[in-house]
Amino acid sequence: DVKVTQSSRYLVKRTGEKVFLECVQDMDHENMFWYRQDPGLGLRLIYFSYDVKMKEKGDIPEGYSVSREKKERFSLILESASTNQTSMYLCASSLLEYEQYFGPGTRLTVT
Amino acid sequence: QQQVKQSPQSLIVQKGGISIINCAYENTAFDYFPWYQQFPGKGPALLIAIRPDVSEKKEGRFTISFNKSAKQFSLHIMDSQPGDSATYFCAARKTNTGNQFYFGTGTSLTVIP
Repeated sequence: DVKVTQSSRYLVKRTGEKVFLECVQDMDHENMFWYRQDPGLGLRLIYFSYDVKMKEKGDIPEGYSVSREKKERFSLILESASTNQTSMYLCASSLLEYEQYFGPGTRLTVT
Repeated sequence: QQQVKQSPQSLIVQKGGISIINCAYENTAFDYFPWYQQFPGKGPALLIAIRPDVSEKKEGRFTISFNKSAKQFSLHIMDSQPGDSATYFCAARKTNTGNQFYFGTGTSLTVIP
């Protein structure tokens, strides 16, 4: 079974803090993704990566950056957290150009 | 703007009934249309998917109907069960941007016993 794990299920941070969300997949997938999920807005793509050290902006990259130093790990960084970044963050990975496998999500609250 | 429009936002169905969720898109570059199911506290999981060269795909109680000319596709859940209560997302993949998916806004389905 494909497993995508995220470092935290719940996280509470203060405004202005630098926040790291980690995602690890165990199936040697080339593609990895970060989404945020908000009620009424569905899943919106923040960044994705086709390979190590490669990254592409999604639909809402502002305020975020990513790092992919190893194939299995994809990190999402909030450079200076703001209250409007309070959300559920979902990581996903895929091998081929089809199915994406999602992690359980990290619910981030910025106060 | 929302590239995939999904309706309804919420749906309540009696046990044994048919649940229908609809999605529409505009971009003809989309070439793969999956549906994801998400239970509370979990990430979305692929339920069923279709390519635009097929008008219908059935897997057990779940069926996707695809209308290429109308740019619409829908999920039908036959004999709906309380265990089907979840949030459902339709999605579409754009060919020329690799593996980038665009998701609908989600439908919260409640199946009443």
